[in-house]
Amino acid sequence: SQQGEEDPQALSIQEGENATMNCSYKTSINNLQWYRQNSGRGLVHLILIRSNEREKHSGRLRVTLDTSKKSSSLLITASRAADTASYFCATAPTSGTYKYIFGTGTRLKVLA
Amino acid sequence: DVKVTQSSRYLVKRTGEKVFLECVQDMDHENMFWYRQDPGLGLRLIYFSYDVKMKEKGDIPEGYSVSREKKERFSLILESASTNQTSMYLCASKAGAGSGANVLTFGAGSRLTVL
Repeated sequence: SQQGEEDPQALSIQEGENATMNCSYKTSINNLQWYRQNSGRGLVHLILIRSNEREKHSGRLRVTLDTSKKSSSLLITASRAADTASYFCATAPTSGTYKYIFGTGTRLKVLA
Repeated sequence: DVKVTQSSRYLVKRTGEKVFLECVQDMDHENMFWYRQDPGLGLRLIYFSYDVKMKEKGDIPEGYSVSREKKERFSLILESASTNQTSMYLCASKAGAGSGANVLTFGAGSRLTVL
């Protein structure tokens, strides 16, 4: 069963604004990853944060992880129309390393 | 860059047909995966392979089988397609060890419609 939940399910913002999406999970994890999916395409890996890390940056992306709350957030700063996509979190549990658990995704629309 | 290639982007099949979905990766990855993606349900793991001829069932293996005769190729087989197998199918691979071992690389997806 799906254990990752993204929030919100959909988000619409203006170009230049920041976009924040959240992910909650239920089991202990080894790491948490964020992926992007453009419409009708495969997923592309964005960033990975390990369970012993609290924050990580990559370009315009900032990810935080709170293992006590079993939650993560992805912040995209200065959004662009090209950021329009669905964003998924995926958790790798501490046992069974192939059983990545994906959330249902946040659909982001960036208006030009 | 790692590349995962799915042979068909769109397929339309009839109920009862046998369907083959092919996936090839070019980075010598040990692990390969088949997921299906449905609206509101996210990605669900169908089968996983950690080596040639080795496979493990995922969360929803019923109605599917897989084949991995060569390291680079992982095939998903629908023995007798049914309408409830209409979905987007995503293949992924990842290294078994090393710095990239946690990251999945996905193909572009195969959208299957069963009539």
